[in-house]
Amino acid sequence: EVQLVESGGGLVQPGRSLRLSCAASGFTFDDYAMHWVRQAPGKGLEWVSGISWNSGSIGYADSVKGRFTISRDNAKNSLYLQMNSLRAEDTALYYCAKDLVDTAMAAFDYWGQGTLVTVSS
Amino acid sequence: QSALTQPASVSGSPGQSITISCTGTSSDVGGYNYVSWYQQHPGKAPKLMIYDVSNRPSGVSNRFSGSKSGNTASLTISGLQAEDEADYYCSSYTSSSTLDGVFGTGTKVTVL
Repeated sequence: EVQLVESGGGLVQPGRSLRLSCAASGFTFDDYAMHWVRQAPGKGLEWVSGISWNSGSIGYADSVKGRFTISRDNAKNSLYLQMNSLRAEDTALYYCAKDLVDTAMAAFDYWGQGTLVTVSS
Repeated sequence: QSALTQPASVSGSPGQSITISCTGTSSDVGGYNYVSWYQQHPGKAPKLMIYDVSNRPSGVSNRFSGSKSGNTASLTISGLQAEDEADYYCSSYTSSSTLDGVFGTGTKVTVL
């Protein structure tokens, strides 16, 4: 059974940093691209960042470019999102999602339950 | 990376068919066949309903179908049922040089 379990969310002050983690199991992690998708309270889905199977291709939404860094450790079956210079508008539920393919953004066939990030003073 | 455009709401009676549009540009929807659709019930994680424009994952009802013409993709739900009431989002790949994607603005489907 595929499982994606996010952790690392919480309450953080504007300008501070937070690191999210996603532990994957039930599939061959290094065969697939992985992504972070967020959803602000009461709002729609926003693609945040994606990384190919071997970290050779990476992308970011314009809203987080230069502040967030995605990475993965295939040996640990884990995905990460380092979030720096956090803003109030980064407040959202952050989902980890598995792609159908290894080097593009085709579709997200499995999702975690999300970890909540709240940026507030 | 502008969000793809979807109607805010669509409604229909049980048994009817409805169609949700998803309009982008030649740089996303029109440029790739990596268009997907997601269903999200309140308080739940999104669920993949359609991938690669028109393919259904195993376990998804054949009442859901997808298509694309130019820069606009569409999701059709036939034989509308009460359990179809949810938010629906389209998504598309947007770049072959980096791994970029974009979601649609979302559509609330109401079963009357």
